Amino acid sequence: DAKTTQPPSMDCAEGRAANLPCNHSTISGNEYVYWYRQIHSQGPQYIIHGLKNNETNEMASLIITEDRKSSTLILPHATLRDTAVYYCIVRQNTDKLIFGTGTRLQVFP
Amino acid sequence: GAGVSQSPRYKVAKRGQDVALRCDPISGHVSLFWYQQALGQGPEFLTYFQNEAQLDKSGLPSDRFFAERPEGSVSTLKIQRTQQEDSAVYLCASSPRTGKGSGNQPQHFGDGTRLSIL
Repeated sequence: DAKTTQPPSMDCAEGRAANLPCNHSTISGNEYVYWYRQIHSQGPQYIIHGLKNNETNEMASLIITEDRKSSTLILPHATLRDTAVYYCIVRQNTDKLIFGTGTRLQVFP
Repeated sequence: GAGVSQSPRYKVAKRGQDVALRCDPISGHVSLFWYQQALGQGPEFLTYFQNEAQLDKSGLPSDRFFAERPEGSVSTLKIQRTQQEDSAVYLCASSPRTGKGSGNQPQHFGDGTRLSIL
């Protein structure tokens, strides 16, 4: 599975959009981009995933560049409860997830 | 709706004791995974089941770690002769299917068991 690179930390004001970047320059054609988040003392929570097209659900939007070498997770209106560590993972049909160290997002009032 | 359930939520054991951690996956999920998460790190893969078959145990750190899923639903992770370095959060995840096409299937996690070895 391809390696991902994320900034270690980011801040965002409550009510503003949080844009979390991820680089995955070695991604191959059949690898999906997954995003999970982990709030303190909880297990990782699935957010969204995509292959080539941009995706949107009730939690977030995922924007994947045309060359698929990077992506951005967008939380449109961040709240204090969105404070968490966000993991970007690229995944093939291998079943296990390989987590990096993620981005620690701090939403402030 | 019922998610992945893990028990106990917290476990404290003395070095050298054996421990058993339980995972109840989402009903009907074929795949079950165990991960270990050290403090300040991301989760790391331990082992994976498809129904009752353990298809990958490449992440188990030593032969003191043993996992089973005898009826293809509930799974138990056992650690024998625990050591202080075994202290971590142990996470279980499940997903509906496996193999080809599984890249499109999210894994859903429980909240883990926090194991502390004294």
